[in-house]
Amino acid sequence: GAVVSQHPSRVICKSGTSVKIECRSLDFQATTMFWYRQFPKKSLMLMATSNEGSKATYEQGVEKDKFLINHASLTLSTLTVTSAHPEDSSFYICSASLASGYNEQFFGPGTRLTVL
Amino acid sequence: GQNIDQPTEMTATEGAIVQINCTYQTSGFNGLFWYQQHAGEAPTFLSYNVLDGLEEKGRFSSFLSRSKGYSYLLLKELQMKDSASYLCAVLDSNYQLIWGAGTKLIIKP
Repeated sequence: GAVVSQHPSRVICKSGTSVKIECRSLDFQATTMFWYRQFPKKSLMLMATSNEGSKATYEQGVEKDKFLINHASLTLSTLTVTSAHPEDSSFYICSASLASGYNEQFFGPGTRLTVL
Repeated sequence: GQNIDQPTEMTATEGAIVQINCTYQTSGFNGLFWYQQHAGEAPTFLSYNVLDGLEEKGRFSSFLSRSKGYSYLLLKELQMKDSASYLCAVLDSNYQLIWGAGTKLIIKP
């Protein structure tokens, strides 16, 4: 099956610092990658959709300058949380799909971000 | 607006059968997914239905009725490891996944 990795799995940082999370499709080329955040006991909230080589499409209410997404290749997308604050603490999950249209999303293991 | 409804929490006994329902109202329909998510982990794919009827896969089955905007996930011979949240998600006309809030399933011995 398709494998997606995420790094780091857990990060603790001080308020005001920036944190980069990497999402990699290990055995397939992902045309589209998705970034989600999830609060405890809540469902996934889509933050943005990114296609390789183009700008990410952000969901309403998600600050693009706060959450920088780069999808530089067909196997790598990065999410940078800039000037992190405690309210940014959350579980961030990426997923990847082979193409647009119907496609099962393959999820990474998630990154637990804690901002002190 | 788009909406996915599923129960917040269900409890069942080890070895028994449980049915988790999901109703949806979305702009268009291109399929319905069920995912399993253990606490602190990312979701894992269980099933995909795009046509009406029942899809069986081992102990898990998923049913879809497009005319009723309804699906269910049926889990048989429940095991303790089945304790998890089960997420229903619909692919809308823009091929965007609309997620339900998830059903937390508690399995008791």
